[in-house]
Amino acid sequence: NAGVTQTPKFRILKIGQSMTLQCTQDMNHNYMYWYRQDPGMGLKLIYYSVGAGITDKGEVPNGYNVSRSTTEDFPLRLELAAPSQTSVYFCASSRGLAASYNEQFFGPGTRLTVL
Amino acid sequence: EDKVVQSPLSLVVHEGDTVTLNCSYEVTNFRSLLWYKQEKKAPTFLFMLTSSGIEKKSGRLSSILDKKELFSILNITATQTGDSAVYLCAVELGEYGNKLVFGAGTILRVKS
Repeated sequence: NAGVTQTPKFRILKIGQSMTLQCTQDMNHNYMYWYRQDPGMGLKLIYYSVGAGITDKGEVPNGYNVSRSTTEDFPLRLELAAPSQTSVYFCASSRGLAASYNEQFFGPGTRLTVL
Repeated sequence: EDKVVQSPLSLVVHEGDTVTLNCSYEVTNFRSLLWYKQEKKAPTFLFMLTSSGIEKKSGRLSSILDKKELFSILNITATQTGDSAVYLCAVELGEYGNKLVFGAGTILRVKS
C-alpha cells in the first residue's frame, strides 16, 4: 500500500514551458487535492476533486489545470510556467465527506523551480 | 474570508522542555481541526479534533479544542530533537469538498 505517490520529485522549468505533475493514490479515496507551499507559508489549495470526472477550483487556481479521469489519478498541469509558480506542490487524498474520520493523506511533494 | 492563525511563528527550546503551540481560527463552516507535523517533506497527520474539551493524546503529544473561543493547542512534553519540525494547524470546512484551510505553521527547533 503505497498511499499517495507523486512524480517527479524535482523539476526545473524555463519560463513559458509546460509540464504535468503526476499524483496517484491506492487507498480508493474519493477526494483528491493539489496544494502549493511557498517558503514560510502554509499550504494553499489549487484544485480539488470529489470523484472521477469532477474537479473544482481552490484558492489559487490561476495558471493551473487538472483532470480526474480515474479514482486513482489526479494530474496537475502547468501550461505556461512563470517564476511565481516556483513552489513545492503536494497532492493529498481523503475518504470524503461521508466518512467519520476524514483526514487528508499527503504525497511526498514535487519541488518545482521556474527560471 | 476563512483564516487560521498559528503562534508563535517559531521557537527554540532545549530537550526536555514542554512546549505549547497555538492555533486560532475564523471560518464560516467548521467541521474539524487537524494538526500535522512536517519534517522537510509531506505533512504527516497527528490529530483530528471535532469536539470541545476532549483531549486527544498520543505519547508525549496532546491536543485540545475550544469551539467557543475558536482555538486549539498542541502540547509536547519532554521534547526531543526528533520533535524539530513545522507543525501545521488546519481547519476542515464542513461543505462540498472538505477543504482544509491551513495556518502558516510553527517552526519548532529542539536543541540537545
